[in-house]
Amino acid sequence: DTAVSQTPKYLVTQMGNDKSIKCEQNLGHDTMYWYKQDSKKFLKIMFSYNNKELIINETVPNRFSPKSPDKAHLNLHINSLELGDSAVYFCASSTGTGGYEQYFGPGTRLTVT
Amino acid sequence: GENVEQHPSTLSVQEGDSAVIKCTYSDSASNYFPWYKQELGKRPQLIIDIRSNVGEKKDQRIAVTLNKTAKHFSLHITETQPEDSAVYFCAASIGNNDMRFGAGTRLTVKP
Repeated sequence: DTAVSQTPKYLVTQMGNDKSIKCEQNLGHDTMYWYKQDSKKFLKIMFSYNNKELIINETVPNRFSPKSPDKAHLNLHINSLELGDSAVYFCASSTGTGGYEQYFGPGTRLTVT
Repeated sequence: GENVEQHPSTLSVQEGDSAVIKCTYSDSASNYFPWYKQELGKRPQLIIDIRSNVGEKKDQRIAVTLNKTAKHFSLHITETQPEDSAVYFCAASIGNNDMRFGAGTRLTVKP
């Protein structure tokens, strides 16, 4: 009965490859997010979706493409992976945008070699 | 857009002492201020939050204060315990816009 789940938990891949991370929430929330947490622990928002529509797209390379097939899922596809993409990626969800608690997934540790 | 600054970046206290983490925000329209705790290798989790119509909120050993005039808010942890050791993030959001997080404070409670 995990609230926000992500797969895979760990992902090790080589430069230039394409990979996807999947996220699912069973909380009935309308809004989902992707965050990148670098080695210095800084949490940076990448994308925000509300009811399957893109709300926020921060300054993220267009190699990153989110897709929301329905309100409960938000996947992240990354093309042509680079060393600098190595980080922990967190999915999160909330009742709505703005002033609501965000529930985070367990994170996906991506290592690009 | 909103900019959130958090200090200090690291904080070490003795068990039983108090810990205070401070954040400032730039947009006076911000109206929601949560604090998240992230233990090593785990996900961030909300520990307390405050809205702009309230000046202080307490939950057992933790409290948050908000000064809207000065645009800063603080997290206070009293009687710290080793299990309080973690990275703490403040955040601020405006209405329907998404939250911006501070850079985090690594708190170490020494037994």
